[in-house]
Amino acid sequence: GQNIDQPTEMTATEGAIVQINCTYQTSGFNGLFWYQQHAGEAPTFLSYNVLDGLEEKGRFSSFLSRSKGYSYLLLKELQMKDSASYLCAQTGANNLFFGTGTRLTVIP
Amino acid sequence: NAGVMQNPRHLVRRRGQEARLRCSPMKGHSHVYWYRQLPEEGLKFMVYLQKENIIDESGMPKERFSAEFPKEGPSILRIQQVVRGDSAAYFCASSPNSGQQETQYFGPGTRLLVL
Repeated sequence: GQNIDQPTEMTATEGAIVQINCTYQTSGFNGLFWYQQHAGEAPTFLSYNVLDGLEEKGRFSSFLSRSKGYSYLLLKELQMKDSASYLCAQTGANNLFFGTGTRLTVIP
Repeated sequence: NAGVMQNPRHLVRRRGQEARLRCSPMKGHSHVYWYRQLPEEGLKFMVYLQKENIIDESGMPKERFSAEFPKEGPSILRIQQVVRGDSAAYFCASSPNSGQQETQYFGPGTRLLVL
C-alpha cells in the first residue's frame, strides 16, 4: 500500500499562515487529495492535485511535486474555525489511501 | 442537493450482535465506498460498490463483514457477531463516476460502539 506521511499535530496563531506537509509513495501515482475533517464530522473535499505546481482556492492552496513525492496544504489568514484535522490522501485503483491526518489547532 | 446520508449516526451493540450500517449516496451518484476509522488512525478503505455489484473488497475483513448496494435502496455494511475491536467510525463516500480522479464525497459517518 501507499506510505502517506504527515505530521500528527500543528498549532498556529489566528491570522497567520500554516503549511501542512505530506509525503507519499511515488510509484503508481495518480493524484493526491486534501480533505478537512472537523471532530465528529465528515471529511470534506478541499483540493485535488495531479500535476506539479500550486493550485489556489481562496485562503487554501495545495502544492504538488511528483518527482519528490511531496505535497503541502497552505492555509492563509487562519481563522479559529480552521481548527480541524487535515487529511492527505493518494488515489489507488478504486479507493483513497489516507494518512493519519494532521490535527491543526488555531489559537488566538 | 442532499449530501451523502448515513444512519444511524451512533450505534451501540453488545458482543455477538449484528450491526447494520446504511448509506444513501448523493443524488446521481452510483459509486459507493466504505471506509473505517479507528481512534487515532487514518481512514482505511474497506469496499467499493456500484449498483448490485461489489467491485473491490480488498479492504474487507475476510469474516463477519459484508456489503451490498441493491438496485433500490441504500448501501448496507453488515457486521455479524461484533467484537470490541469493531468499535470505530464507519464512513461512506460516493462519486458520480469511477476513475482515479473522481472526488469522493463523504457522509457524516456511523460511530459503532461494541460493549
